[in-house]
Amino acid sequence: KAGVTQTPRYLIKTRGQQVTLSCSPISGHRSVSWYQQTPGQGLQFLFEYFSETQRNKGNFPGRFSGRQFSNSRSEMNVSTLELGDSALYLCASRGLEMPGELFFGEGSRLTVL
Amino acid sequence: GENVEQHPSTLSVQEGDSAVIKCTYSDSASNYFPWYKQELGKRPQLIIDIRSNVGEKKDQRIAVTLNKTAKHFSLHITETQPEDSAVYFCAASPNSGGYQKVTFGTGTKLQVIP
Repeated sequence: KAGVTQTPRYLIKTRGQQVTLSCSPISGHRSVSWYQQTPGQGLQFLFEYFSETQRNKGNFPGRFSGRQFSNSRSEMNVSTLELGDSALYLCASRGLEMPGELFFGEGSRLTVL
Repeated sequence: GENVEQHPSTLSVQEGDSAVIKCTYSDSASNYFPWYKQELGKRPQLIIDIRSNVGEKKDQRIAVTLNKTAKHFSLHITETQPEDSAVYFCAASPNSGGYQKVTFGTGTKLQVIP
């Protein structure tokens, strides 16, 4: 079956703009998590959605938000972009058959100028 | 919340030698400890995991050990090969079932020198 799909793969924005990233999980997976990856900081947890409800949330400012649709697809939005928001944003889905394993997408690389 | 520390941040070994990466965690409720490997330009992928009722787990050249009393766990790679070169992330989660938050360490960049 198809893996986790993220769009767009690359994007460039300027400070103050906003951005929306999309993630389609593996078919049948209802949980989608978002992570920010930067050099030296590893994978920092943003939030996790299950059945359209946010289940967990990391320590990011309110500029970072997300949502999940009834088909389990998820979007992440960052408003009022700052230079420090430049990063690789990874989403991951989890299934009931192996809830521990996260299946990652290839990520959306955001550059803020 | 959970805090996972990972050391070293970089590690260079000669091909054929062993590599060890160590992690500590803070939340005593954590009982699921996965390790992910991320090759350059690719997505992280699970390579091995261990649950708190097990002290050690092996899969070919890879092994993970867990010391719940000390709250640390380690990844051991034996007979390293160039294809082992990647960034390795440890993680901890309070529950292997359900939808509990997975907290990652900051990663170890392993370089295997041919």
